[in-house]
Amino acid sequence: GENVGLHLPTLSVQEGDNSIINCAYSNSASDYFIWYKQESGKGPQFIIDIRSNMDKRQGQRVTVLLNKTVKHLSLQIAATQPGDSAVYFCAENSRGYQKVTFGTGTKLQVIP
Amino acid sequence: DAGITQSPRHKVTETGTPVTLRCHQTENHRYMYWYRQDPGHGLRLIHYSYGVKDTDKGEVSDGYSVSRSKTEDFLLTLESATSSQTSVYFCATRDRGIYGYTFGSGTRLTVV
Repeated sequence: GENVGLHLPTLSVQEGDNSIINCAYSNSASDYFIWYKQESGKGPQFIIDIRSNMDKRQGQRVTVLLNKTVKHLSLQIAATQPGDSAVYFCAENSRGYQKVTFGTGTKLQVIP
Repeated sequence: DAGITQSPRHKVTETGTPVTLRCHQTENHRYMYWYRQDPGHGLRLIHYSYGVKDTDKGEVSDGYSVSRSKTEDFLLTLESATSSQTSVYFCATRDRGIYGYTFGSGTRLTVV
């Protein structure tokens, strides 16, 4: 929704630079993680996922890193573009598909 | 969002009135979910369905009911709307064997 960006931590990045968005997850038993992107007025959109038996996965311009020791997930966006401006949040799955917990998100602002 | 239509997109209603939100999917996904999104919170699960006429409660189900009479339709009803139910509501679907959700564009509900 339009108000999803309110009260969120904001990351401002110059166009063309790389962005790193972080997420601390809560459950050490979580076995699957997803990053979503939510543009203003739209629903969340799947970006990239990673299983707990991996520590890195790459997509097109995006990379997700998983550090299970400190329960930390990060999303790296290469060569950030104005179209990347959105709220990004992580989701963790535990108990297979049964339990999904969504983070509150980080707002990414791209400065032209 | 291709394949998932939520209606209405916006609604203003008075306290105490019943309200029904509709989610229609053409993805033929088995699982459907209703979430609400509020500032300062991650997406919170209201109810979900794992098949026709099979539904279950999520973490914030009080004051809400759902029905799923067909694979493609999942209805969310606020039995007697309260101001605390002012929110943006998202429908999501998930295919069997897939972790990621597909979200609709959301319904912004205001209870006055």
